[in-house]
Amino acid sequence: GAVVSQHPSRVICKSGTSVKIECRSLDFQATTMFWYRQFPKQSLMLMATSNEGSKATYEQGVEKDKFLINHASLTLSTLTVTSAHPEDSSFYICSAPPLLGSSYNEQFFGPGTRLTVL
Amino acid sequence: DQQVKQNSPSLSVQEGRISILNCDYTNSMFDYFLWYKKYPAEGPTFLISISSIKDKNEDGRFTVFLNKSAKHLSLHIVPSQPGDSAVYFCAASKAYGGATNKLIFGTGTLLAVQP
Repeated sequence: GAVVSQHPSRVICKSGTSVKIECRSLDFQATTMFWYRQFPKQSLMLMATSNEGSKATYEQGVEKDKFLINHASLTLSTLTVTSAHPEDSSFYICSAPPLLGSSYNEQFFGPGTRLTVL
Repeated sequence: DQQVKQNSPSLSVQEGRISILNCDYTNSMFDYFLWYKKYPAEGPTFLISISSIKDKNEDGRFTVFLNKSAKHLSLHIVPSQPGDSAVYFCAASKAYGGATNKLIFGTGTLLAVQP
């Protein structure tokens, strides 16, 4: 199946700093990528839809100025958590649908990034 | 508003027996459903899916059943193996046929298969 990578896998930062998380589709192009976050023992909550060449679409309640998304190419989307605070500590996961014509709904997920804000 | 619900946070099953994981949804616009398996600190991996035009889909040890009138789906794993121990998420999507439809996930069920 298609491979999606994330970097870094784990990051610890001080409160007030910004953290960038990369999501790459390694063997396919993705005009759309999705960003989720997961708190312990909770569901994956969709944060935003990243669109190549246009602005991201954010879910209700997600601050777009705090979670900056850039989909610069057909294989890379970045999520920047700006001025991170301890409550932003979470597990962030990206996903990308496979190419058109295949089982599009079987999104391929990255391995996730564990963010800890001290 | 939790549109996709998994009411059992955990399930314990003996190896070799059947595991049945349940999922309910509230939005009748959902027409494609998926099950994902997730290990701690990893991203979910796709298991099996079903469209709303079917009521059953089978893939090896995994079978998904869909009851549209009850807005309920279930995942059957038989026989269960210790390696199946993980968190299982059901997910739903609207408007089958689009490439960028977002998935709405349930709350997950932790399956523990005892040797």
